[in-house]
Amino acid sequence: RKEVEQDPGPFNVPEGATVAFNCTYSNSASQSFFWYRQDCRKEPKLLMSVYSSGNEDGRFTAQLNRASQYISLLIRDSKLSDSATYLCGGGGATNKLIFGTGTLLAVQP
Amino acid sequence: DTGVSQDPRHKITKRGQNVTFRCDPISEHNRLYWYRQTLGQGPEFLTYFQNEAQLEKSRLLSDRFSAERPKGSFSTLEIQRTEQGDSAMYLCASSLETLSGYTFGSGTRLTVV
Repeated sequence: RKEVEQDPGPFNVPEGATVAFNCTYSNSASQSFFWYRQDCRKEPKLLMSVYSSGNEDGRFTAQLNRASQYISLLIRDSKLSDSATYLCGGGGATNKLIFGTGTLLAVQP
Repeated sequence: DTGVSQDPRHKITKRGQNVTFRCDPISEHNRLYWYRQTLGQGPEFLTYFQNEAQLEKSRLLSDRFSAERPKGSFSTLEIQRTEQGDSAMYLCASSLETLSGYTFGSGTRLTVV
């Protein structure tokens, strides 16, 4: 079993839709979690940190469920510009992050 | 320059040649990481440094791979006797010591022919 698992998608959604991604992790010692956005042939860019209390930034909401060992990302009112691959990453005390394979989102006009 | 920079951006090499990549992290970041990413996959951890000390190496990192960070600033990743399976994007990232997210460089895309 991979340490971090994501549904690779693709998720094809119309503009304005709400879309949610989940990511599960197997290492219960993981302490920090993040969502990254990666555009085609570009480097990953930090989108959000993920906290147990939830974290909201505009149209984006991230949540951590330690009991079930998953993190989620909710995107409301999807824009064409949200089309990208979304990577989740989790890490322990060393801050070494293990990433999932990424979830591809395609927002359709 | 406030970002992580990597050089070169692209490298095409013949099988069996040695290649070296360079990464310059954000200046105040004391942790530096190397990852490898292939198409359709997430970044795979290779190794990381805290200052000049290499603290962890992945089992993915065969004996042909070596990384250094001699003065705790820039880092180099060398691949000896390249193989076609080494073709990938090599990403460098840096962070502060606290549990913070990384900043990635734009990567070096290696093609072994």
